[in-house]
Amino acid sequence: DAGVIQSPRHEVTEMGQEVTLRCKPISGHNSLFWYRQTMMRGLELLIYFNNNVPIDDSGMPEDRFSAKMPNASFSTLKIQPSEPRDSAVYFCASSFFGAGGSSYEQYFGPGTRLTVT
Amino acid sequence: AQSVSQHNHHVILSEAASLELGCNYSYGGTVNLFWYVQYPGQHLQLLLKYFSGDPLVKGIKGFEAEFIKSKFSFNLRKPSVQWSDTAEYFCAVNARILTGGGNKLTFGTGTQLKVEL
Repeated sequence: DAGVIQSPRHEVTEMGQEVTLRCKPISGHNSLFWYRQTMMRGLELLIYFNNNVPIDDSGMPEDRFSAKMPNASFSTLKIQPSEPRDSAVYFCASSFFGAGGSSYEQYFGPGTRLTVT
Repeated sequence: AQSVSQHNHHVILSEAASLELGCNYSYGGTVNLFWYVQYPGQHLQLLLKYFSGDPLVKGIKGFEAEFIKSKFSFNLRKPSVQWSDTAEYFCAVNARILTGGGNKLTFGTGTQLKVEL
């Protein structure tokens, strides 16, 4: 299995530009999580989906952030417009959740390092 | 509010020293417990997990953790650390009392371990 795939791995952009981060979860997993990690704030859960439906987006910092999961194998996190304080590593993680035996453990992707200048 | 506490933010040890990292959580119901490790510049990887049964859990790379329900603790241990164990360690909890998609993990703030030669 290829694991969780994220792209791009590095993104440098100027303030005000739109940024789109992409994630492909592990095949068969039906839960997807977006996290942000910074030195100051540590690891923060932004939003998560179960079966493509957003369950909890209380961690999304503000309206500039949006996330979608159009199908079971793809999700995007968009920042529009981007600001320097959005600079961070953004991780995507996936897991299996269901009545038949949820594992709860999450598998993380390699992350996208975003720098907004 | 639900929380996970990791009391040691930075730990410095010499090679071959024993390690114990503390983790306490505040949930009263059934929990699933995890320890993740993040090596420098990498993503989070699962070290070990506890769902039920034997409260002493063995993980990869010689790590183990003990679930003590009465103390709401899940401390990570290793008898003899190596330089390659230098990393950040995160404790995480899934509280199965949650409803409406209760597969979110709540992470502690992490413990940065440095092992010196």
